[in-house]
Amino acid sequence: DAGVTQSPTHLIKTRGQQVTLRCSPKSGHDTVSWYQQALGQGPQFIFQYYEEEERQRGNFPDRFSGHQFPNYSSELNVNALLLGDSALYLCASSKWDLTDTQYFGPGTRLTVL
Amino acid sequence: QKEVEQNSGPLSVPEGAIASLNCTYSDRGSQSFFWYRQYSGKSPELIMSIYSNGDKEDGRFTAQLNKASQYVSLLIRDSQPSDSATYLCAVNQRGSQGNLIFGKGTKLSVKP
Repeated sequence: DAGVTQSPTHLIKTRGQQVTLRCSPKSGHDTVSWYQQALGQGPQFIFQYYEEEERQRGNFPDRFSGHQFPNYSSELNVNALLLGDSALYLCASSKWDLTDTQYFGPGTRLTVL
Repeated sequence: QKEVEQNSGPLSVPEGAIASLNCTYSDRGSQSFFWYRQYSGKSPELIMSIYSNGDKEDGRFTAQLNKASQYVSLLIRDSQPSDSATYLCAVNQRGSQGNLIFGKGTKLSVKP
């Protein structure tokens, strides 16, 4: 039973660039949530996707956008990167009817120079 | 602003002892409570969930919930060096399904 997968593992970008991160949920899960975890902090909720629609959104600017595909996989896009966007980006998968029970993928470490 | 508070530690316990990790939350309407373990450089791993007042046991782990006091704790019995990690408390938000609020985590160190 495949767990949550994310790609890439690491990414280095420069300020102003754009980045796309990818996530595939666990088998049987239909909901994907994205979190940002800065060093020494707990994860912060960015947004959640179900049935290809954004269902919840945290306190993040519009530079952060996402998408969910019919196979439940998801992308996180960040435009106009800032130094402060450097963080571990975590994808969490769940079932919609148990959406609070979330399982994290390995994460993508983004460094913005 | 909904908050989840944890003592950042580090909490140091000897091998074989009981480690006690605590968490308080501000949203009285929260209904779901989770403990995640995060090893350095890795992603959080779900280890316990609890929804009702009282205790819930799973192997060496016991989660305790007191909604009146807005308090949730995690006990680790017979602590092992492999339990050394940061433990994150997460709480759902009333009316915001799927949006988990995390504390900053407590770093646990189990000394052989």
